[in-house]
Amino acid sequence: ILNVEQSPQSLHVQEGDSTNFTCSFPSSNFYALHWYRWETAKSPEALFVMTLNGDEKKKGRISATLNTKEGYSYLYIKGSQPEDSATYLCAFKKGGYNKLIFGAGTRLAVHP
Amino acid sequence: NAGVTQTPKFQVLKTGQSMTLQCAQDMNHNSMYWYRQDPGMGLRLIYYSASEGTTDKGEVPNGYNVSRLNKREFSLRLESAAPSQTSVYFCASSPGTGAQETQYFGPGTRLLVL
Repeated sequence: ILNVEQSPQSLHVQEGDSTNFTCSFPSSNFYALHWYRWETAKSPEALFVMTLNGDEKKKGRISATLNTKEGYSYLYIKGSQPEDSATYLCAFKKGGYNKLIFGAGTRLAVHP
Repeated sequence: NAGVTQTPKFQVLKTGQSMTLQCAQDMNHNSMYWYRQDPGMGLRLIYYSASEGTTDKGEVPNGYNVSRLNKREFSLRLESAAPSQTSVYFCASSPGTGAQETQYFGPGTRLLVL
């Protein structure tokens, strides 16, 4: 069984705070790690795809890092805004598999 | 471009009834997926179709069947609905199944089985 764990489960921050959360995945036979952003009443949308150990990706105030040797990825949000409120999902792809295994997500609420 | 569309948006069934959830994509994607989303459990893969003409089981296939009707359409059928199948169902598609290929999700179908 492939386990993808995300922590924390939920997070409340004030507008302007910076925050980060973690995705843990099996370190053997790594192929790719995806991050998705899921706003309430909408569908998940892709944020980043990372494939190489040490990868760093950035989109505006959101960035992500990847450590495939120890099996974790961090997602950072700098200067959180209320519009960043969403559930952030990570998904792991193992070599030889045609499918993504999703974590349960981190629900972020940014309060004005 | 509509992207990924799903019908119906919402459905109530009685235990034992059957229904088919429809999914279509207009992005010429090869791969399509059905997930269910339950509180605290994230997205769990029910079935997927890596390419037209193929289907494979995911993590939670019991109680479901799928049909990849053509490249655009991938339907999910519940033959005899059970209360445990109350969930939100998402269809997704991707260009293929490579490492970098992100998935595009439909709006979801909310199903309640009484």
